[in-house]
Formats: sequence, structure tokens, C-alpha cells
Amino acid sequence: ILNVEQSPQSLHVQEGDSTNFTCSFPSSNFYALHWYRWETAKSPEALFVMTLNGDEKKKGRISATLNTKEGYSYLYIKGSQPEDSATYLCALYTDKLIFGTGTRLQVFP
Amino acid sequence: EAGVTQSPTHLIKTRGQQATLRCSPISGHTSVYWYQQALGLGLQFLLWYDEGEERNRGNFPPRFSGRQFPNYSSELNVNALELEDSALYLCAGSPRWTSGGRTDTQYFGPGTRLTVL
Repeated sequence: ILNVEQSPQSLHVQEGDSTNFTCSFPSSNFYALHWYRWETAKSPEALFVMTLNGDEKKKGRISATLNTKEGYSYLYIKGSQPEDSATYLCALYTDKLIFGTGTRLQVFP
Repeated sequence: EAGVTQSPTHLIKTRGQQATLRCSPISGHTSVYWYQQALGLGLQFLLWYDEGEERNRGNFPPRFSGRQFPNYSSELNVNALELEDSALYLCAGSPRWTSGGRTDTQYFGPGTRLTVL
């Protein structure tokens, strides 16, 4: 069973700080890596789907990279805002989505 | 465009009873996925339906079952409830299964919180 690890477990930053967190996996035996954002009391919302080694995605202030050879994906948030506060989940698609336990981000004004 | 809907929002049952959870994906989305998030754990895949057929199943006992209706809505049934079935159950939908599900974005509902006493 592919184990998806995310670090750190939680993160507190000040408004305006840039931050990043990691999704790591032991092998590249998957088809795609998905990033989701899950705000409290809301539904998980898709951010990116990444498929190739070296793949990079960007959406506004949020970007992600994928390195399948070394077994990680990074999610970056530039100039964090309070509305970025959420749990960020990564998931690998094998024959199903296998989720990590997430990084909980809190951005203080 | 209406999002994914789930009902009920909360459900309280006792051990041994049966629970039925419902999900309606976004109009035009044919795949429905069910996930469980138990306390302290990540989202665990339960079931995947597409075009009315079960496409994949997670590592859960047979008392977790479901079905998908012709309008693509879905039901998750949990029989002989146990205390550890207490969890948030999320469903997600995606458009027509084009890539084997691999790169299909999944659109999640707000969840049903099941409490087993």
C-alpha cells in the first residue's frame, strides 16, 4: 500500500509570509498526484492534478511542483492571506485516490 | 451550477442498525466516489461508481455497500453499524470517466457526519 506523508502537520504564519509544504511518497508507482484545499466546514476543493515528473502548476499565488524521481511534491503559497487558512491535502492516484493526512495552515492577520 | 449535495448532514444511529447516506453529483457528472474520514485519520477511499456500476472498492468490509441510480445519484449503505463507523462520509463526483479516473478532478460534497452510539 502506497503511503502518502505530508509535512509539516500544521503551520502558523503571518499574513504576507510565503510558505511551502511537502507531500512525500516512497515510489513513483502512481498515475497522478492531486492537491486539494479543505477549509473548515466546507468541502475539499481541487487545486491541481499533476502527472509528469517535473510538472509544475500555478493558480494565482499558489503553485506546485512534482519530483517523482525523488518522491515529493511541494505546494507553495506566496504572500499568504488569512483566507488561505485551510488543510491542504495531497493524494496519489493508483487505482484509487490515496490521501495524506494533510497540512493544516493558519494565516494570522 | 449546483454543487455536490449530500444528505443527511448528520445521522445518529445505534450499534447494529443500518445507515443510508445519499449523494447527488453535479449535473453531467457520471462518477461518484465515497470516502470515510474517521477521527484522527485521513480520507479513506470506500467505493467508486460509474455509469451505475461499481468500478473499485476500498479495504472495507462487505457491510459497506452502495449503488448508483440512473440519474447518477448514489447511496451508501452501512449495515450492522459498529462504533468505529462513526466518521465523516464524503462523496465526490467527476465527469465522464475518460482517463480511468486518474486525472479526473473530483468535486466533493459537504459530507454526512455519522455517529454510532
